[in-house]
Amino acid sequence: AQSVAQPEDQVNVAEGNPLTVKCTYSVSGNPYLFWYVQYPNRGLQFLLKYITGDNLVKGSYGFEAEFNKSQTSFHLKKPSALVSDSALYFCAVRDGITGGGNKLTFGTGTQLKVEL
Amino acid sequence: DAGVIQSPRHEVTEMGQEVTLRCKPISGHNSLFWYRQTMMRGLELLIYFNNNVPIDDSGMPEDRFSAKMPNASFSTLKIQPSEPRDSAVYFCASSIGQWKETQYFGPGTRLLVL
Repeated sequence: AQSVAQPEDQVNVAEGNPLTVKCTYSVSGNPYLFWYVQYPNRGLQFLLKYITGDNLVKGSYGFEAEFNKSQTSFHLKKPSALVSDSALYFCAVRDGITGGGNKLTFGTGTQLKVEL
Repeated sequence: DAGVIQSPRHEVTEMGQEVTLRCKPISGHNSLFWYRQTMMRGLELLIYFNNNVPIDDSGMPEDRFSAKMPNASFSTLKIQPSEPRDSAVYFCASSIGQWKETQYFGPGTRLLVL
């Protein structure tokens, strides 16, 4: 069975500082990992994904994430946070084993608050 | 591209009434997903379709919930009869269908059952 954990319900950071939103996962095969962002009263928007290849993935709005197989982690990062980055962030995983299907498992979400 | 379209955006109904939520996926996408989001349970997958065929409905809460996809451009999620605990935001998402591909979400339907 696949699972994903976001250990922090909320992350607070000052504008201009680097931010990290944590995500760990568990799968049987190789993971397909995704980050989504949700702004208030909106649907989820895709940020980035890791399927294979370079462990450092760059995505939208200056975000990036690093796949770490030994630590089973896929933390979301940004070098310099903006107030407009304040939103709810979801990590999601899909097991890459054959027959795993299209089912994504989402984490519980981390509320990011960027303050001036 | 218009993205995933959902209607209505908001729905207020009384307990016992039938509710129908609608979704139009992105053209060319052949997988469609229905999710429910609540504060208590987070984001839950209810059902997904591939090429209009239901593949996994294990997340459907009970027989009061049903979903159909009569063609590649339209899907419905029906709740009959509705109950207050069904109050949530319901999202539809679509993808090209291969399991590496990104799911694109609609804006959601905010359902309140009184």
